[in-house]
Amino acid sequence: GENVEQHPSTLSVQEGDSAVIKCTYSDSASNYFPWYKQELGKRPQLIIDIRSNVGEKKDQRIAVTLNKTAKHFSLHITETQPEDSAVYFCAASREQDSNYQLIWGAGTKLIIKP
Amino acid sequence: DAGVIQSPRHEVTEMGQEVTLRCKPISGHDYLFWYRQTMMRGLELLIYFNNNVPIDDSGMPEDRFSAKMPNASFSTLKIQPSEPRDSAVYFCASGRTSGRNEQFFGPGTRLTVL
Repeated sequence: GENVEQHPSTLSVQEGDSAVIKCTYSDSASNYFPWYKQELGKRPQLIIDIRSNVGEKKDQRIAVTLNKTAKHFSLHITETQPEDSAVYFCAASREQDSNYQLIWGAGTKLIIKP
Repeated sequence: DAGVIQSPRHEVTEMGQEVTLRCKPISGHDYLFWYRQTMMRGLELLIYFNNNVPIDDSGMPEDRFSAKMPNASFSTLKIQPSEPRDSAVYFCASGRTSGRNEQFFGPGTRLTVL
């Protein structure tokens, strides 16, 4: 079945540096790729998403890139801050089938060192 | 506008007891998802509904788990009988077909089965 692989499982970066989290999906028909952030003890929340008709999307310090040929997509966080510490989940789905089920990655724990 | 509401927030029960988790989705949303989250298994989709109809329950672990959605504003996830391995955080999320394909998560129910 479809799956999404996410790497690394844990990422530790110095405050102010950049962080990159990568995901690979198996279903070539996937066309919607969201990223969720889950702070400790809280619920997952959508932070950014991208659809297959674009290659990159930015929102202030975060950006997502998509390589459809390689079936890769990545989350980039620049100028990391302590509040970026959280678990980040990538996901994929096929919107064209009116299927809103997301196939989730295993999550990346991002640690921002002061 | 209230978000997704879940109750109870915490539940401690003994093995063999019946547990019922409740969810009220955001008004106007036509999708409802039940997830289970543990350190070992990450975020798992158990079942999801569209317009109160179960669409995919392949993630339900076994017959001890059941879910219902009697109307657009209420869903339950029942575990009978409960076992220690069911201990986890259970999230309910809702979304709507039109517009951005975002899942809005509730605060979760932390279940501990002794």
